[in-house]
Amino acid sequence: DTGVSQDPRHKITKRGQNVTFRCDPISEHNRLYWYRQTLGQGPEFLTYFQNEAQLEKSRLLSDRFSAERPKGSFSTLEIQRTEQGDSAMYLCASRPTGYNEQFFGPGTRLTVL
Amino acid sequence: QQQVKQSPQSLIVQKGGIPIINCAYENTAFDYFPWYQQFPGKGPALLIAIRPDVSEKKEGRFTISFNKSAKQFSLHIMDSQPGDSATYFCAASMEGSQGNLIFGKGTKLSVKP
Repeated sequence: DTGVSQDPRHKITKRGQNVTFRCDPISEHNRLYWYRQTLGQGPEFLTYFQNEAQLEKSRLLSDRFSAERPKGSFSTLEIQRTEQGDSAMYLCASRPTGYNEQFFGPGTRLTVL
Repeated sequence: QQQVKQSPQSLIVQKGGIPIINCAYENTAFDYFPWYQQFPGKGPALLIAIRPDVSEKKEGRFTISFNKSAKQFSLHIMDSQPGDSATYFCAASMEGSQGNLIFGKGTKLSVKP
Protein backbone atom coordinates (compact mmCIF):
# COMPACT_ATOMS: atom_id res chain seq x y z
CA ASP A 1 0.00 0.00 0.00
CA THR A 2 1.63 3.24 -1.19
CA GLY A 3 -0.75 5.51 0.68
CA VAL A 4 -2.47 6.70 -2.48
CA SER A 5 -6.12 5.70 -2.52
CA GLN A 6 -8.58 5.66 -5.38
CA ASP A 7 -12.32 5.28 -5.42
CA PRO A 8 -14.16 3.40 -6.75
CA ARG A 9 -11.94 0.44 -7.53
CA HIS A 10 -14.29 -0.79 -10.23
CA LYS A 11 -16.94 1.00 -12.26
CA ILE A 12 -19.25 -0.49 -14.87
CA THR A 13 -21.31 1.96 -16.86
CA LYS A 14 -23.33 2.13 -20.03
CA ARG A 15 -22.14 4.05 -23.06
CA GLY A 16 -23.15 7.68 -22.87
CA GLN A 17 -23.18 7.91 -19.08
CA ASN A 18 -20.93 10.20 -17.06
CA VAL A 19 -18.49 8.81 -14.50
CA THR A 20 -16.29 10.42 -11.85
CA PHE A 21 -13.26 8.96 -10.14
CA ARG A 22 -11.51 10.20 -7.01
CA CYS A 23 -7.87 10.09 -5.99
CA ASP A 24 -6.49 10.86 -2.53
CA PRO A 25 -2.72 11.35 -2.76
CA ILE A 26 -0.15 10.90 -0.03
CA SER A 27 -0.51 13.73 2.44
CA GLU A 28 1.66 16.76 1.60
CA HIS A 29 2.57 15.48 -1.87
CA ASN A 30 1.95 18.56 -3.95
CA ARG A 31 2.20 16.89 -7.35
CA LEU A 32 -0.50 14.60 -8.69
CA TYR A 33 -0.71 12.74 -11.99
CA TRP A 34 -3.45 10.82 -13.79
CA TYR A 35 -2.58 7.99 -16.17
CA ARG A 36 -4.64 5.59 -18.23
CA GLN A 37 -3.64 1.96 -18.79
CA THR A 38 -5.24 -0.33 -21.32
CA LEU A 39 -4.80 -4.08 -21.34
CA GLY A 40 -1.29 -5.17 -22.22
CA GLN A 41 0.09 -1.64 -22.33
CA GLY A 42 2.04 0.64 -20.03
CA PRO A 43 0.35 3.58 -18.33
CA GLU A 44 -0.12 6.67 -20.51
CA PHE A 45 -0.02 10.17 -19.07
CA LEU A 46 -3.28 12.12 -18.99
CA THR A 47 -2.82 15.19 -16.82
CA TYR A 48 -0.72 16.76 -14.06
CA PHE A 49 -1.45 19.01 -11.09
CA GLN A 50 0.92 20.99 -8.95
CA ASN A 51 -1.10 21.87 -5.91
CA GLU A 52 -4.47 22.99 -7.29
CA ALA A 53 -3.13 24.11 -10.68
CA GLN A 54 -3.56 21.82 -13.67
CA LEU A 55 -0.29 22.43 -15.50
CA GLU A 56 -0.32 19.91 -18.31
CA LYS A 57 -2.83 17.88 -20.29
CA SER A 58 -2.09 15.11 -22.75
CA ARG A 59 -3.64 15.00 -26.21
CA LEU A 60 -5.29 11.80 -24.94
CA LEU A 61 -7.45 13.98 -22.71
CA SER A 62 -10.32 14.80 -25.05
CA ASP A 63 -12.89 17.47 -24.25
CA ARG A 64 -15.06 14.78 -22.65
CA PHE A 65 -12.49 14.48 -19.87
CA SER A 66 -12.07 16.97 -17.07
CA ALA A 67 -9.96 16.87 -13.94
CA GLU A 68 -9.87 19.00 -10.83
CA ARG A 69 -7.86 19.25 -7.67
CA PRO A 70 -9.62 21.72 -5.39
CA LYS A 71 -7.46 23.10 -2.58
CA GLY A 72 -4.55 20.98 -3.76
CA SER A 73 -5.71 17.87 -1.91
CA PHE A 74 -7.78 15.11 -3.52
CA SER A 75 -8.40 15.08 -7.25
CA THR A 76 -11.32 14.00 -9.42
CA LEU A 77 -11.36 12.81 -13.01
CA GLU A 78 -14.68 13.00 -14.83
CA ILE A 79 -15.51 11.41 -18.14
CA GLN A 80 -18.65 12.65 -19.86
CA ARG A 81 -20.61 10.69 -22.46
CA THR A 82 -18.47 7.59 -21.99
CA GLU A 83 -17.49 5.50 -25.00
CA GLN A 84 -16.43 1.87 -25.16
CA GLY A 85 -12.92 3.03 -25.97
CA ASP A 86 -12.76 4.66 -22.54
CA SER A 87 -12.64 1.21 -20.92
CA ALA A 88 -9.30 1.09 -19.12
CA MET A 89 -7.60 1.28 -15.74
CA TYR A 90 -7.32 4.87 -14.54
CA LEU A 91 -4.31 5.37 -12.28
CA CYS A 92 -3.40 8.22 -10.00
CA ALA A 93 0.12 8.92 -8.77
CA SER A 94 1.46 11.40 -6.27
CA ARG A 95 4.94 12.85 -6.01
CA PRO A 96 6.59 14.90 -3.28
CA THR A 97 8.33 18.21 -3.93
CA GLY A 98 12.01 17.82 -4.70
CA TYR A 99 11.86 14.15 -5.58
CA ASN A 100 11.29 12.25 -8.82
CA GLU A 101 9.51 9.23 -7.34
CA GLN A 102 5.87 8.75 -8.25
CA PHE A 103 3.71 6.51 -6.10
CA PHE A 104 0.69 4.95 -7.72
CA GLY A 105 -2.68 4.14 -6.29
CA PRO A 106 -4.50 0.84 -6.95
CA GLY A 107 -6.41 2.29 -9.90
CA THR A 108 -10.03 2.43 -10.96
CA ARG A 109 -11.05 -0.17 -13.52
CA LEU A 110 -13.67 1.31 -15.86
CA THR A 111 -15.79 -0.90 -18.10
CA VAL A 112 -18.09 0.80 -20.59
CA LEU A 113 -20.80 -1.48 -21.96
CA GLN B 1 6.33 7.51 -31.83
CA GLN B 2 7.29 5.25 -28.97
CA GLN B 3 9.89 7.00 -26.87
CA VAL B 4 10.72 4.04 -24.61
CA LYS B 5 11.05 0.61 -26.17
CA GLN B 6 11.01 -2.43 -23.89
CA SER B 7 11.91 -6.04 -24.58
CA PRO B 8 11.17 -8.85 -24.35
CA GLN B 9 7.39 -8.79 -24.22
CA SER B 10 7.37 -11.93 -22.06
CA LEU B 11 9.97 -13.97 -20.23
CA ILE B 12 9.95 -17.34 -18.50
CA VAL B 13 12.75 -18.37 -16.14
CA GLN B 14 13.32 -21.05 -13.58
CA LYS B 15 13.48 -20.24 -9.88
CA GLY B 16 16.93 -18.91 -9.06
CA GLY B 17 17.52 -17.67 -12.61
CA ILE B 18 18.43 -14.08 -13.52
CA PRO B 19 15.85 -12.53 -15.84
CA ILE B 20 17.05 -9.48 -17.74
CA ILE B 21 14.66 -6.90 -19.16
CA ASN B 22 15.92 -4.25 -21.55
CA CYS B 23 14.77 -0.75 -22.42
CA ALA B 24 15.94 1.78 -24.98
CA TYR B 25 15.04 5.43 -25.12
CA GLU B 26 15.28 8.11 -27.80
CA ASN B 27 15.14 11.43 -26.02
CA THR B 28 18.52 12.40 -24.56
CA ALA B 29 16.77 14.93 -22.30
CA PHE B 30 15.42 12.09 -20.15
CA ASP B 31 17.19 12.13 -16.80
CA TYR B 32 15.24 9.80 -14.56
CA PHE B 33 14.66 6.10 -15.26
CA PRO B 34 12.49 4.06 -12.88
CA TRP B 35 11.32 0.47 -13.00
CA TYR B 36 7.86 -0.52 -11.79
CA GLN B 37 6.41 -3.91 -10.87
CA GLN B 38 2.72 -4.55 -11.41
CA PHE B 39 0.61 -7.48 -10.28
CA PRO B 40 -2.78 -8.17 -11.94
CA GLY B 41 -5.46 -5.77 -10.78
CA LYS B 42 -2.98 -3.60 -8.85
CA GLY B 43 -1.29 -0.30 -9.48
CA PRO B 44 2.39 -0.16 -10.48
CA ALA B 45 4.83 -0.26 -7.55
CA LEU B 46 8.17 1.53 -7.75
CA LEU B 47 11.06 -0.95 -7.57
CA ILE B 48 14.24 0.94 -8.29
CA ALA B 49 15.32 4.00 -10.25
CA ILE B 50 18.51 5.44 -11.72
CA ARG B 51 19.83 8.73 -13.05
CA PRO B 52 22.18 8.95 -16.09
CA ASP B 53 25.25 9.94 -14.07
CA VAL B 54 25.36 6.41 -12.59
CA SER B 55 26.11 3.23 -14.57
CA GLU B 56 24.69 0.74 -12.09
CA LYS B 57 22.44 0.72 -9.06
CA LYS B 58 21.56 -2.21 -6.84
CA GLU B 59 18.75 -2.54 -4.32
CA GLY B 60 18.32 -5.96 -2.81
CA ARG B 61 17.92 -8.51 -5.62
CA PHE B 62 17.21 -5.81 -8.23
CA THR B 63 19.96 -4.15 -10.28
CA ILE B 64 19.72 -1.49 -12.96
CA SER B 65 22.50 -1.23 -15.53
CA PHE B 66 22.61 2.02 -17.49
CA ASN B 67 24.45 2.75 -20.74
CA LYS B 68 24.15 6.45 -21.53
CA SER B 69 25.99 6.34 -24.87
CA ALA B 70 23.77 3.53 -26.15
CA LYS B 71 20.65 5.09 -24.60
CA GLN B 72 19.80 1.78 -23.01
CA PHE B 73 19.10 0.49 -19.51
CA SER B 74 18.19 -2.88 -18.12
CA LEU B 75 16.77 -4.56 -15.03
CA HIS B 76 18.34 -7.71 -13.61
CA ILE B 77 16.57 -9.75 -10.96
CA MET B 78 18.97 -11.94 -8.99
CA ASP B 79 17.87 -15.29 -7.54
CA SER B 80 14.38 -14.87 -8.99
CA GLN B 81 11.46 -16.35 -7.07
CA PRO B 82 7.93 -17.37 -8.11
CA GLY B 83 6.67 -14.35 -6.18
CA ASP B 84 8.54 -12.12 -8.66
CA SER B 85 6.09 -13.24 -11.37
CA ALA B 86 4.53 -9.97 -12.50
CA THR B 87 4.65 -7.42 -15.28
CA TYR B 88 7.60 -5.05 -15.21
CA PHE B 89 7.63 -1.61 -16.78
CA CYS B 90 10.53 0.69 -17.48
CA ALA B 91 9.87 4.40 -17.70
CA ALA B 92 11.62 7.70 -18.29
CA SER B 93 10.99 11.33 -17.49
CA MET B 94 12.60 14.76 -17.70
CA GLU B 95 13.07 16.68 -14.47
CA GLY B 96 12.93 19.97 -16.34
CA SER B 97 9.43 19.23 -17.60
CA GLN B 98 6.39 18.43 -15.54
CA GLY B 99 7.93 15.06 -14.81
CA ASN B 100 5.28 12.84 -16.32
CA LEU B 101 6.52 9.29 -16.86
CA ILE B 102 6.73 7.73 -20.30
CA PHE B 103 6.39 3.97 -19.96
CA GLY B 104 7.52 1.02 -22.02
CA LYS B 105 4.93 -1.58 -23.01
CA GLY B 106 5.89 -3.96 -20.25
CA THR B 107 7.43 -7.40 -19.82
CA LYS B 108 5.40 -10.22 -18.34
CA LEU B 109 7.75 -12.32 -16.22
CA SER B 110 6.93 -15.83 -15.10
CA VAL B 111 9.26 -17.56 -12.63
CA LYS B 112 8.70 -21.30 -12.56
CA PRO B 113 9.25 -23.18 -9.26
